[in-house]
Amino acid sequence: QKEVEQNSGPLSVPEGAIASLNCTYSDRGSQSFFWYRQYSGKSPELIMFIYSNGDKEDGRFTAQLNKASQYVSLLIRDSQPSDSATYLCAVKSLRGGSNYKLTFGKGTLLTVNP
Amino acid sequence: DGGITQSPKYLFRKEGQNVTLSCEQNLNHDAMYWYRQDPGQGLRLIYYSQIVNDFQKGDIAEGYSVSREKKESFPLTVTSAQKNPTAFYLCASTQQGGRATEAFFGQGTRLTVV
Repeated sequence: QKEVEQNSGPLSVPEGAIASLNCTYSDRGSQSFFWYRQYSGKSPELIMFIYSNGDKEDGRFTAQLNKASQYVSLLIRDSQPSDSATYLCAVKSLRGGSNYKLTFGKGTLLTVNP
Repeated sequence: DGGITQSPKYLFRKEGQNVTLSCEQNLNHDAMYWYRQDPGQGLRLIYYSQIVNDFQKGDIAEGYSVSREKKESFPLTVTSAQKNPTAFYLCASTQQGGRATEAFFGQGTRLTVV
């Protein structure tokens, strides 16, 4: 099983709709979870992070974490064409002592159609 | 301004040649990472370092080497043993401790074998 898996996509939604992006992880001891957005040819930029079970909202974005199910998701409300990008899920895990490792999923390509 | 600087932005390598990608950060971060990204794919971890003079292999370390002689610098050498080096290379850094410590990325180096 891959350490971090995302729904393969691509995902296409109409403008104004809710886009739902999902991510599962294999290391039950993972501590922090990040969602990055990456435009084509550019480096990733952080959208949100979450480390407690439940929901975390920031503007149009909501991250949801369920540690029992090892599942984290990102909801984008009122999707805009400018949200069209690849969304990367990243998981921070402790590898012994103070040795952390940051692992990314393959990403989900989102297209928002005007 | 604090940040991560990768150079060069574009790099061309001949068959059998070693090349070194530069990554410098002035964020005073402890941990640094190198990722490789192929078209339409997520980020795959090559090497990471939590502290000066120490580093660990990631998932695809074969054909690559790194050093961490200074906290600010984490250069990546792509050796001739790496048979398919054409890709987008991203360097990142993060504070070591804490759950909500995001990774900051450089602008990337696009390496092409000619």
